[in-house]
Amino acid sequence: GAVVSQHPSWVICKSGTSVKIECRSLDFQATTMFWYRQFPKQSLMLMATSNEGSKATYEQGVEKDKFLINHASLTLSTLTVTSAHPEDSSFYICSAGPSGNPDTQYFGPGTRLTVL
Amino acid sequence: QQQVKQSPQSLIVQKGGISIINCAYENTAFDYFPWYQQFPGKGPALLIAIRPDVSEKKEGRFTISFNKSAKQFSLHIMDSQPGDSATYFCAASKIRNQFYFGTGTSLTVIP
Repeated sequence: GAVVSQHPSWVICKSGTSVKIECRSLDFQATTMFWYRQFPKQSLMLMATSNEGSKATYEQGVEKDKFLINHASLTLSTLTVTSAHPEDSSFYICSAGPSGNPDTQYFGPGTRLTVL
Repeated sequence: QQQVKQSPQSLIVQKGGISIINCAYENTAFDYFPWYQQFPGKGPALLIAIRPDVSEKKEGRFTISFNKSAKQFSLHIMDSQPGDSATYFCAASKIRNQFYFGTGTSLTVIP
């Protein structure tokens, strides 16, 4: 089946630094990818929709200047957490679906971010 | 605002028993209702999904029941096994493949 990868799988950084998380669709092209955030034992909350070749669409309450999204190609989207703070520590998950199949979404394995 | 409400929060079932998880939604624009299984430290994996034009869908031990008029849908896991122990999320989506997830149910199947 289709695979979505994320890199890194975990990262620890100091407060005030920026962290980039990559999401790749390995065997299909995706014009749209999605970024979610999940706190321990909680649900996935949609943060933003990443659109290839255009600006990302952010959900209400998500700071677009803090969570920078770039969808550089049909197989890669990146999420950069800028000036990270301890409250940004979370599990970040991306999803993507084949461009011709609107219902199917494959989720990446997630990235655990810990901000000290 | 929680677009999809899920219950129970946790569930303990004996091996061989039936696990039932319920979800409810408000937005009638939703037209796709998947269930995901998530193990600790992993991303969600699609288990089974249904569209509102069908009242039931079965795949192996997993069955979705859908009640469009009540805006409710549920997951039934028959012959539950210890390997089914995981967190289950229902979700709903409309246009643009945006998924709104329920709050999750932690299932424990006791041997």
